Amino acid sequence: EPEVTQTPSHQVTQMGQEVILRCVPISNHLYFYWYRQILGQKVEFLVSFYNNEISEKSEIFDDQFSVERPDGSNFTLKIRSTKLEDSAMYFCASSVGQGRNQPQHFGDGTRLSIL
Amino acid sequence: AQSVAQPEDQVNVAEGNPLTVKCTYSVSGNPYLFWYVQYPNRGLQFLLKYITGDNLVKGSYGFEAEFNKSQTSFHLKKPSALVSDSALYFCAVMSMDSNYQLIWGAGTKLIIKP
Repeated sequence: EPEVTQTPSHQVTQMGQEVILRCVPISNHLYFYWYRQILGQKVEFLVSFYNNEISEKSEIFDDQFSVERPDGSNFTLKIRSTKLEDSAMYFCASSVGQGRNQPQHFGDGTRLSIL
Repeated sequence: AQSVAQPEDQVNVAEGNPLTVKCTYSVSGNPYLFWYVQYPNRGLQFLLKYITGDNLVKGSYGFEAEFNKSQTSFHLKKPSALVSDSALYFCAVMSMDSNYQLIWGAGTKLIIKP
């Protein structure tokens, strides 16, 4: 069964540094998402992406964050200047379409640790 | 505000016994409800969904969930638990009013003891 893949599995970065988290969504999927899960807290929606542009974003997704689909397969999340509170698991997801009939398929996540 | 509540941080069940993981929700509009499971060091894996129709929904690994509109609940169930079912379970809801964003519960840790 096709899977969403995320790299790296664990990223350790100094505060203030830029970090790029990478995702390869399922190939025939058209909608892409980033979520994060701070340790011990709920999964939180960050952003959704469709047709090469952001379709929705949450309040968390401020100017420090950006997403990009640089080629036909990768979907990246960039954090420009990391803060300690950015430490979390970051999950990428993709779906064939948007809405109620289309379950989102998740990658295994990238654990981001900011020192 | 739209929200999902999973009232139990942890549920302990003996292997072979039935299990229930509770979920209640609060949304405006028709809810679309999902259960995901997270195994250690793995991502969120889709289990089942309720969109419309029969209130009892069957999903992967023998799990099922019952949508109860009057109680605004969507409890996850399995008739006979396996040790391998031990994992973290997340309930999520979306609606047109949430622009189809998934709103997540806090998760319930399910421990199945042999």
